[in-house]
Amino acid sequence: SQKIEQNSEALNIQEGKTATLTCNYTNYSPAYLQWYRQDPGRGPVFLLLIRENEKEKRKERLKVTFDTTLKQSLFHITASQPADSATYLCARHSNSGYALNFGKGTSLLVTP
Amino acid sequence: GAGVSQSPSNKVTEKGKDVELRCDPISGHTALYWYRQSLGQGLEFLIYFQGNSAPDKSGLPSDRFSAERTGGSVSTLTIQRTQQEDSAVYLCASSNPGQNTEAFFGQGTRLTVV
Repeated sequence: SQKIEQNSEALNIQEGKTATLTCNYTNYSPAYLQWYRQDPGRGPVFLLLIRENEKEKRKERLKVTFDTTLKQSLFHITASQPADSATYLCARHSNSGYALNFGKGTSLLVTP
Repeated sequence: GAGVSQSPSNKVTEKGKDVELRCDPISGHTALYWYRQSLGQGLEFLIYFQGNSAPDKSGLPSDRFSAERTGGSVSTLTIQRTQQEDSAVYLCASSNPGQNTEAFFGQGTRLTVV
């Protein structure tokens, strides 16, 4: 079966530092990986999508990498701010192409 | 509306009752997903609709769960004979078709079975 795994332990970092979150997947490499942010009591919000032939994708203070050899995606937030505190989810489509499967998410807490 | 709309936002029901949860996707989005999120847990895929194709029901946990999508737009998730373990937030998302498109989520329906 296909699995997508994220570090279940919360990540606590100091404001201004770079946060790095990890997403590992099993079996075949998906054509795309997606990252979402979820705040308490709200639905996830899309952040970034990276294709398998892209090593890196950036959007403002966000950077995502995709390593098909390691079967891993890293999500970086540079110059982190307390407002970045949330749960971050990675997602991939199943090999049927239908279901968008999510990891359990990693909770990030940025302290002043 | 501009976003995905779900109703009700909260639902408290007695064990054994049936419930219906509604999702209005973004206009024009042909793909629609239902997920379940239990407290402190990740998103559990339930069902996927794409246009007029047969839905992918592989995530439905039991035959008490069913979903419909009428006219390719509004979707209803029905849970029959609710159990306490059905208590969770039920999230709906819609998107354009394809793996390279983002999913837009509603705010969810918080279901509590007492």
